Amino acid sequence: GAGVSQSPSNKVTEKGKDVELRCDPISGHTALYWYRQSLGQGLEFLIYFQGNSAPDKSGLPSDRFSAERTGGSVSTLTIQRTQQEDSAVYLCASSFERRTNEQFFGPGTRLTVL
Amino acid sequence: GQQLNQSPQSMFIQEGEDVSMNCTSSSIFNTWLWYKQDPGEGPVLLIALYKAGELTSNGRLTAQFGITRKDSFLNISASIPSDVGIYFCAGQLGSGAGSYQLTFGKGTKLSVIP
Repeated sequence: GAGVSQSPSNKVTEKGKDVELRCDPISGHTALYWYRQSLGQGLEFLIYFQGNSAPDKSGLPSDRFSAERTGGSVSTLTIQRTQQEDSAVYLCASSFERRTNEQFFGPGTRLTVL
Repeated sequence: GQQLNQSPQSMFIQEGEDVSMNCTSSSIFNTWLWYKQDPGEGPVLLIALYKAGELTSNGRLTAQFGITRKDSFLNISASIPSDVGIYFCAGQLGSGAGSYQLTFGKGTKLSVIP
């Protein structure tokens, strides 16, 4: 499809396990963003990738969170030793480099940590 | 950091009524954005505002960028059932470090009674 895709759509895991969330941005978009949306809250910025530049990781809540972007396209958000407070919807967005105000969002991955 | 106060938190309206929601900030933003999120989907950009005082329409939607650059409102005229969803405002600094980051309000949940 032409939009941002994310997988899995839902993930249920046990506390302490690691999870990987995947994002496929829109073809041609060099900027990629991860956000976290907790129940009843707005979106919280996590990390930003732009081309081959060093990512902005300033929004990652702890060192259990990490993200990679391989080949300037697909990105993986990894959460190690998951905690119940990590339960949220994780949204990925992409944009053209100079159109960061026009971010296109994927459907999100709903993570539930039991 | 920046905070966005979005109100109201929720609204129940009759089909055909007009709707108004707003966002205020403790900081100045150079871009204001309004998104709509349907259940199980990522936010979709409705309107982008780039200039203080700007008034922009998109069909039945009208949004304004406040003169102080610390607020914005969104109006929906003649609401219809498909307007149901959560509406988010977002601000972007638009310049300087981290200018690509969007700061989101907590959303206004709109319910339309047929």
